[in-house]
Amino acid sequence: DAGVTQSPTHLIKTRGQQVTLRCSPKSGHDTVSWYQQALGQGPQFIFQYYEEEERQRGNFPDRFSGHQFPNYSSELNVNALLLGDSALYLCASSLAGRATEAFFGQGTRLTVV
Amino acid sequence: DQQVKQNSPSLSVQEGRISILNCDYTNSMFDYFLWYKKYPAEGPTFLISISSIKDKNEDGRFTVFLNKSAKHLSLHIVPSQPGDSAVYFCAAKVDAGGTSYGKLTFGQGTILTVHP
Repeated sequence: DAGVTQSPTHLIKTRGQQVTLRCSPKSGHDTVSWYQQALGQGPQFIFQYYEEEERQRGNFPDRFSGHQFPNYSSELNVNALLLGDSALYLCASSLAGRATEAFFGQGTRLTVV
Repeated sequence: DQQVKQNSPSLSVQEGRISILNCDYTNSMFDYFLWYKKYPAEGPTFLISISSIKDKNEDGRFTVFLNKSAKHLSLHIVPSQPGDSAVYFCAAKVDAGGTSYGKLTFGQGTILTVHP
């Protein structure tokens, strides 16, 4: 059973560019959440997708957007990259309506130069 | 506003001894709590969780204690092993009996080092 997979694992972008990160949830999971983890901090919730719609959003600007596809996979898009967007981006999948733990992917390390 | 706090950035323990990691929260709406372990270059891995209707949950060497009145939880690892060396994150959510969306709020993490 494949767990949560994310691609790419590492990425270097220039300030002002746009980036797309991808996530495939654990088999059987229908909900995908995205988190940003800055160095030395805990993960911060960006948003959550369920049934192809953004269901909940954290305190992140509109430059951060996402999408969920019918197969439950998801993309995170960040426009007009800033140096401060450099972080580990984590995808977590879970099952809606269940008090279960979320399963995380290995993350995408984004460096903005 | 840091709603979940882990005030100890690091903890060093001898192999075989008990490791105690602490976590405090401020949001009284939180009713489900989780501990994750994270190795470098990997995503967080779920360890153990506890619902607010319980005050203790045990899974092998790992036990989580919840003190709702103090808004405090702790993770006990007994006995500690060198392979337990990692960053430990406490997380909380408003679960509302499984009906909420499940956004997790994390603490800053505690680096646990277990010496042989």
